Amino acid sequence: GENVEQHPSTLSVQEGDSAVIKCTYSDSASNYFPWYKQELGKRPQLIIDIRSNVGEKKDQRIAVTLNKTAKHFSLHITETQPEDSAVYFCAASYYGGSQGNLIFGKGTKLSVKP
Amino acid sequence: NAGVTQTPKFQVLKTGQSMTLQCAQDMNHEYMSWYRQDPGMGLRLIHYSVGAGITDQGEVPNGYNVSRSTTEDFPLRLLSAAPSQTSVYFCASSDSLRGNTIYFGEGSWLTVV
Repeated sequence: GENVEQHPSTLSVQEGDSAVIKCTYSDSASNYFPWYKQELGKRPQLIIDIRSNVGEKKDQRIAVTLNKTAKHFSLHITETQPEDSAVYFCAASYYGGSQGNLIFGKGTKLSVKP
Repeated sequence: NAGVTQTPKFQVLKTGQSMTLQCAQDMNHEYMSWYRQDPGMGLRLIHYSVGAGITDQGEVPNGYNVSRSTTEDFPLRLLSAAPSQTSVYFCASSDSLRGNTIYFGEGSWLTVV
């Protein structure tokens, strides 16, 4: 089945720096890759997603890139702010027996120091 | 429009007890699912449903049952609680299974002692 690996597990940056989180997936049939942000004690919230027919997508300070050949995708946050501190999860849709359910990476805890 | 509503928010169970986590959505979404979240493990799919009367297993279904008698409701039943089921449970819904936004409920914190 699909397997999603996410790195790093923790990331600490200074306010204003950029942060990059990388994920790899195993199933070449996957074609939907969302990123979720989860603050402590809260539910995961979608922040950006990308589909396999697109190589890059931006939304203000957040961007996601996808390399289908290498089966990896990345989240880029520029000009980080303390409120960006949270756990970030990548996910991939798995088109095997589970018919498109999201498979999540294990998360990256991002800390932005003022 | 409340979105995805889960109850209870917190629950303590004794080993061997059974209970039901309730989930309801008011967005007329066909797809609903249950995930559990454990430290360092991300979110793992327990069961899912693509419509009323249709359910299927996810990655970690053992010890859990689900049913989908209506579009709105998707309860998760713990048959005989075990300490290994101590976790945070999230219900989620989407208006399609293939690449539409999945909305999560607020979560249910379950402790089995």
